[in-house]
Amino acid sequence: QQQVKQSPQSLIVQKGGISIINCAYENTAFDYFPWYQQFPGKGPALLIAIRPDVSEKKEGRFTISFNKSAKQFSLHIMDSQPGDSATYFCASPRGGGGNKLTFGTGTQLKVEL
Amino acid sequence: NAGVTQTPKFQVLKTGQSMTLQCAQDMNHNSMYWYRQDPGMGLRLIYYSASEGTTDKGEVPNGYNVSRLNKREFSLRLESAAPSQTSVYFCASILQGESAGNTIYFGEGSWLTVV
Repeated sequence: QQQVKQSPQSLIVQKGGISIINCAYENTAFDYFPWYQQFPGKGPALLIAIRPDVSEKKEGRFTISFNKSAKQFSLHIMDSQPGDSATYFCASPRGGGGNKLTFGTGTQLKVEL
Repeated sequence: NAGVTQTPKFQVLKTGQSMTLQCAQDMNHNSMYWYRQDPGMGLRLIYYSASEGTTDKGEVPNGYNVSRLNKREFSLRLESAAPSQTSVYFCASILQGESAGNTIYFGEGSWLTVV
């Protein structure tokens, strides 16, 4: 079964610091690789996504870095804020029809004042 | 515009009872999905429906059945609930032609406890 390995499981960052979460994937399907943000009691919401033919994508304080040869991609949150405290999931396209995703196990981020 | 709506939000079941989780989307999306979320395991796909009239198994379909009632609605049924089915369930949808990785929308979740 295809896997997505996400690390770290939890992360504590000081306000204004940089949060970095990493994912390693197995699938080689050509499709978007997304990151989701989930607040307690809510469903996951798309944060940012990147195509595998691009090495970096930036949206505001959030950046995805993509390393196709290593099959790894990471989320960087610059100037982390307490409001960024949430669980973050990466996902990889699964291929095989049905437009399916394989999700990482999640990273709980806490940004402290 | 409500997006993806799930009911009920919370439910407690006794082992062996049956129940149906309802999901409806008002975005005219073609594909719909049911995921379960467990601590330390991320989201795992139970069943999906690529279009009205079709359903397919995902990673963890055992103990579940689904019905794509029409384009808007996709229900998940537990015929004989087991404690291992205690989880948070999420329904999701995407528009045909779009990539799930770029445009999937999730509901707010249904918390199910089986005692």
